[in-house]
Amino acid sequence: DAKTTQPNSMESNEEEPVHLPCNHSTISGTDYIHWYRQLPSQGPEYVIHGLTSNVNNRMASLAIAEDRKSSTLILHRATLRDAAVYYCILWTSNKLTFGGGTRVLVKP
Amino acid sequence: DTAVSQTPKYLVTQMGNDKSIKCEQNLGHDTMYWYKQDSKKFLKIMFSYNNKELIINETVPNRFSPKSPDKAHLNLHINSLELGDSAVYFCASSRGAHDYGYTFGSGTRLTVV
Repeated sequence: DAKTTQPNSMESNEEEPVHLPCNHSTISGTDYIHWYRQLPSQGPEYVIHGLTSNVNNRMASLAIAEDRKSSTLILHRATLRDAAVYYCILWTSNKLTFGGGTRVLVKP
Repeated sequence: DTAVSQTPKYLVTQMGNDKSIKCEQNLGHDTMYWYKQDSKKFLKIMFSYNNKELIINETVPNRFSPKSPDKAHLNLHINSLELGDSAVYFCASSRGAHDYGYTFGSGTRLTVV
């Protein structure tokens, strides 16, 4: 399975942007890049996904490198409710395979 | 209305018992999944069903048997429970294609004593 690499943790101040990097150097041409987050004691929650172009939705933006070997999830204004583990995942072989994720801490 | 609902939320049982976890989705999705999250918080896919057909079985012990009576339900039956089965089990559903997100349930915390 194609793998992703993310930092273990990141800290941010409330109401500041958060940029979460993800490396996926072995990505193939048909792999979609998905981001999910998991708040404490909850199931994973879909955030955003893309293939080649940058994507925006009400939760976040996804910036995909031109060679597709890396991507960045951008939370435009972090709130305390955004504290969670964020997973960068490649949809491949008909499934999502989760890695370790990045734990985001938001300081008031 | 809960989109993906699992029951029970908590399950404590003794080793050797047989138990089931139920999952239902009201989203009209074609594909459903079971994931296991262990104590180290890694999420691993176990099974996937598309329109009641098994499409993914990730080398899970055959004590685990999923059953899909219709495309809105995917239940997980576990025989002869072992201590190592203790984990949080998440059900999820999707439209089945790569360009749609998954919707997860809130999880079932299974503790085997």
